[in-house]
Amino acid sequence: GQQLNQSPQSMFIQEGEDVSMNCTSSSIFNTWLWYKQDPGEGPVLLIALYKAGELTSNGRLTAQFGITRKDSFLNISASIPSDVGIYFCAGHRGATNKLIFGTGTLLAVQP
Amino acid sequence: GAVVSQHPSRVICKSGTSVKIECRSLDFQATTMFWYRQFPKQSLMLMATSNEGSKATYEQGVEKDKFLINHASLTLSTLTVTSAHPEDSSFYICSARVGTSGNQDEQFFGPGTRLTVL
Repeated sequence: GQQLNQSPQSMFIQEGEDVSMNCTSSSIFNTWLWYKQDPGEGPVLLIALYKAGELTSNGRLTAQFGITRKDSFLNISASIPSDVGIYFCAGHRGATNKLIFGTGTLLAVQP
Repeated sequence: GAVVSQHPSRVICKSGTSVKIECRSLDFQATTMFWYRQFPKQSLMLMATSNEGSKATYEQGVEKDKFLINHASLTLSTLTVTSAHPEDSSFYICSARVGTSGNQDEQFFGPGTRLTVL
């Protein structure tokens, strides 16, 4: 099935640094969602975006729905050790309820 | 917030046996539940969409006779992996959708079930 392309694939940063990751597709999406998955757990929703151009924040996290509706980015400011995990973008195309997930970005934070 | 549970969290079985995984929405009624499979270091891949009281809709390449889905109530869906083989070993995750107003309805994910087939 189709997947969204995320970059970078992995990031190793120092505590306190800012992080940016993005998600791209060749198709238009109607929603963009960002999830965090801890090892052995299900994904947890961080931010949901519903309109092209929308910029939304959740604490230290900020995400934007690209104007072309084919991309989205997630920024994490002042990273802390508990930010460690895998971040997935996901989205809906058309009127479907099905979520298509990105390839994931592994984030490691060095204290 | 909405809580989704899965049982069991881990299961180890012999090749050829069947395994049933339960997905429950604990504090809400889910109009739709979804089943995903996640192989190590890979993303979540949708296997099937399950609506209460009707047959599940399977994604292309997913064998419906091998992965039996039953959605008997608005709070419970089950996935049965029949005649499991080592290649079925994976992390199975369910999600439950709240609402009926389209793709802005949030999906809440369960904690996953780790299946290991020996």
